[in-house]
Amino acid sequence: DTGVSQDPRHKITKRGQNVTFRCDPISEHNRLYWYRQTLGQGPEFLTYFQNEAQLEKSRLLSDRFSAERPKGSFSTLEIQRTEQGDSAMYLCASSPVLNEQFFGPGTRLTVL
Amino acid sequence: AQKVTQAQTEISVVEKEDVTLDCVYETRDTTYYLFWYKQPPSGELVFLIRRNSFDEQNEISGRYSWNFQKSTSSFNFTITASQVVDSAVYFCALSLNSGGSNYKLTFGKGTLLTVNP
Repeated sequence: DTGVSQDPRHKITKRGQNVTFRCDPISEHNRLYWYRQTLGQGPEFLTYFQNEAQLEKSRLLSDRFSAERPKGSFSTLEIQRTEQGDSAMYLCASSPVLNEQFFGPGTRLTVL
Repeated sequence: AQKVTQAQTEISVVEKEDVTLDCVYETRDTTYYLFWYKQPPSGELVFLIRRNSFDEQNEISGRYSWNFQKSTSSFNFTITASQVVDSAVYFCALSLNSGGSNYKLTFGKGTLLTVNP
């Protein structure tokens, strides 16, 4: 399978715990995006990487969120001290040089 | 700022009916891309089409067709002879066509289409 993969697919955690999600983009796609989707809404942009450089962060990304993309390959999104409002689907997408974004299956986070 | 509006929250049709999903967008930029994505119950967003703001030609792909009208800032999606497998949430999205925008997508809230047998 050469699509975008995300791990885990589901995560249940207690409020206050830290969680980390992983995204493996399509090979050789230099652009990588994270989005968050809550129930009944469209995905909202969180952050963008071009190769290993994080070039943009949304105001939605509070200080408790951090993302990395070491060596321009896979990416991780960490949420520290989770809150119930963080419950959502976290989507990763990758893109070649221009535009068209291909999405992974998402990680569904539930904070109890 | 960009905005995408999908006024239809839910649509229900009977199999073989035609259905049109509406999308209206707002942007001050003159160059941009418009997209439609499908999100089946499994959750993964599936790319359907990309349209450049300079290209207003309508497009047809099998049972799918798209009508892009800059004069009304609309990019509507029609499914002809709908099938049960078309049941999904459909999202319209916009990205600016400039490197500074990083091509991030702005999505509408989606339209839930249910096709009944």
